Amino acid sequence: GAVVSQHPSWVICKSGTSVKIECRSLDFQATTMFWYRQFPKQSLMLMATSNEGSKATYEQGVEKDKFLINHASLTLSTLTVTSAHPEDSSFYICSARDALNSYNEQFFGPGTRLTVL
Amino acid sequence: QKEVEQNSGPLSVPEGAIASLNCTYSDRGSQSFFWYRQYSGKSPELIMFIYSNGDKEDGRFTAQLNKASQYVSLLIRDSQPSDSATYLCAVVVTNAGKSTFGDGTTLTVKP
Repeated sequence: GAVVSQHPSWVICKSGTSVKIECRSLDFQATTMFWYRQFPKQSLMLMATSNEGSKATYEQGVEKDKFLINHASLTLSTLTVTSAHPEDSSFYICSARDALNSYNEQFFGPGTRLTVL
Repeated sequence: QKEVEQNSGPLSVPEGAIASLNCTYSDRGSQSFFWYRQYSGKSPELIMFIYSNGDKEDGRFTAQLNKASQYVSLLIRDSQPSDSATYLCAVVVTNAGKSTFGDGTTLTVKP
């Protein structure tokens, strides 16, 4: 159990285009999902916390108009990178927390590798 | 001071040895503590969590928590080359909800 999927697993796009990444909890309901970014050989950086049915909470320094997050259901959250530029190239990882889990475990998706040309 | 600090590493141990990974945290209100393993190019996977003082064992892994010292560790017994990865310590302050991650410790197990 506790499986989180992400789609796509990798994407290459041209500078200026927008890219949408989906994160799904497959066998549990996730009231909270998290979006991270990780550059090569660096640690995870939390971008935002997404709660179902409400606006995402962004970490300091993360542009909410550039990284649009939607958490419309208990099993799906999306991250849209708008007007992507080469510096947005990174490994984007989502995680989800089971609504019924009282220990605050987070389960990670496999990640999406974004390359902006 | 970082909220969650881990050994800077890298840590190298011979196959079959015990690997000891350490983590300290600054918020005394922290409630849940997690160890994740991350292979190069992959996303983190949960190894263990602990929320009570003392030891928690799962196979070759033992998590140890000392809230008074604000310290959590992960011991890996009989280390295998497949254990070579970066290990991330994460702490949750329940009211905040989000996990705070350390920068990770890279472990190499040499055959």
